[in-house]
Amino acid sequence: DAKTTQPPSMDCAEGRAANLPCNHSTISGNEYVYWYRQIHSQGPQYIIHGLKNNETNEMASLIITEDRKSSTLILPHATLRDTAVYYCIVRGASRNTDKLIFGTGTRLQVFP
Amino acid sequence: GAVVSQHPSRVICKSGTSVKIECRSLDFQATTMFWYRQFPKQSLMLMATSNEGSKATYEQGVEKDKFLINHASLTLSTLTVTSAHPEDSSFYICSARTGTGGGSPLHFGNGTRLTVT
Repeated sequence: DAKTTQPPSMDCAEGRAANLPCNHSTISGNEYVYWYRQIHSQGPQYIIHGLKNNETNEMASLIITEDRKSSTLILPHATLRDTAVYYCIVRGASRNTDKLIFGTGTRLQVFP
Repeated sequence: GAVVSQHPSRVICKSGTSVKIECRSLDFQATTMFWYRQFPKQSLMLMATSNEGSKATYEQGVEKDKFLINHASLTLSTLTVTSAHPEDSSFYICSARTGTGGGSPLHFGNGTRLTVT
């Protein structure tokens, strides 16, 4: 079962920051927070992941609260091509627990 | 880097026939690959974990005799849908990890859309 809760949908204006929230209140100390997105009829695309610290890469930033019970994915300047379903996934650290179990995600619509 | 390729991207087959889907890691060795399927307007559902040189581990409710998985090399895993029926029509997606453990991202192929007529 997915261990995360996300809003089913969000809208964002092109050029603005998109902030996608995720609750993972039952996360364990050695579990990672991963974000993927899926554009229609394609395989999921890896965005970013983190354990405790905030992370940033060329695609996005990941802000994890100090208690690790929630996180926010930030797309700093959303474009129309960022329209997709975004999945927040809690993933185990060991080889036996590192399957990715997808929930229902957030459908982000970026509008002009 | 970390490219996963699936073939074919689309396939149509007749009911009762078998279909093989290939998943290749192009620029890394993948000791473990994962197979998912996705029905329209639903999320991805994990079917099985494919380990190189050993038997696949199937998720609860997935028929191992119907969905045959072979992972004979570090760069190739195959999923064969045997005696396919219209209800097997779905989007099948594979993924592979570049390292070991939860700190190494999984990378996904672009999926195979199977239509059984």
